[in-house]
Amino acid sequence: EAAVTQSPRSKVAVTGGKVTLSCHQTNNHDYMYWYRQDTGHGLRLIHYSYVADSTEKGDIPDGYKASRPSQENFSLILELASLSQTAVYFCASALSNERLFFGHGTKLSVL
Amino acid sequence: QQQVRQSPQSLTVWEGETAILNCSYEDSTFDYFPWYRLFPGESPALLIAIRPVSNKKEDGRFTIFFNKREKKLSLHITDSQPGDSATYFCAASSNTNTGKLTFGDGTVLTVKP
Repeated sequence: EAAVTQSPRSKVAVTGGKVTLSCHQTNNHDYMYWYRQDTGHGLRLIHYSYVADSTEKGDIPDGYKASRPSQENFSLILELASLSQTAVYFCASALSNERLFFGHGTKLSVL
Repeated sequence: QQQVRQSPQSLTVWEGETAILNCSYEDSTFDYFPWYRLFPGESPALLIAIRPVSNKKEDGRFTIFFNKREKKLSLHITDSQPGDSATYFCAASSNTNTGKLTFGDGTVLTVKP
């Protein structure tokens, strides 16, 4: 079973502050993704990566940056956190799009 | 325009009944349709998936029915159990779109004992 670990599990941030969410996977997967989930909504793709040192914009990239320094690690960066970025963030990894392995999520509250 | 739509938003059934969760899509290039299940506090996990070469896929109590002409699919959960209570997401992807998954908003299923 793929192991995807997210940190922190929850975070409270102040508006305008910088937030970094980290994701680590131990299964040699090339593909990694960051999704956000808002109450009553599905998972929306923020950024993704197919290879280390390269990231791609997803469907809702505005206000977010991503970094993939190695195959195992994929970070999501909020340079200037805003109230609208309060959500649960899920990281996932995959060999292909046919099965994504998700982490347990990071609950972010921006006050 | 939302590419993947799910209905109902929430569904309550009694233990032993069949739960039917619906999904529709817009993009005719979508060629892979997985369903993911999310228990509170857990990770979303792949439950079952189908490709348009088939109109039905079964895995135990879970069955996907697929109608390519109408761009609709449904997930049937027979003999529903309280342990099936979770949020179910329909998703879709296309090989022409780098394989990224697009998710629906989910259906919250509650199974009452």
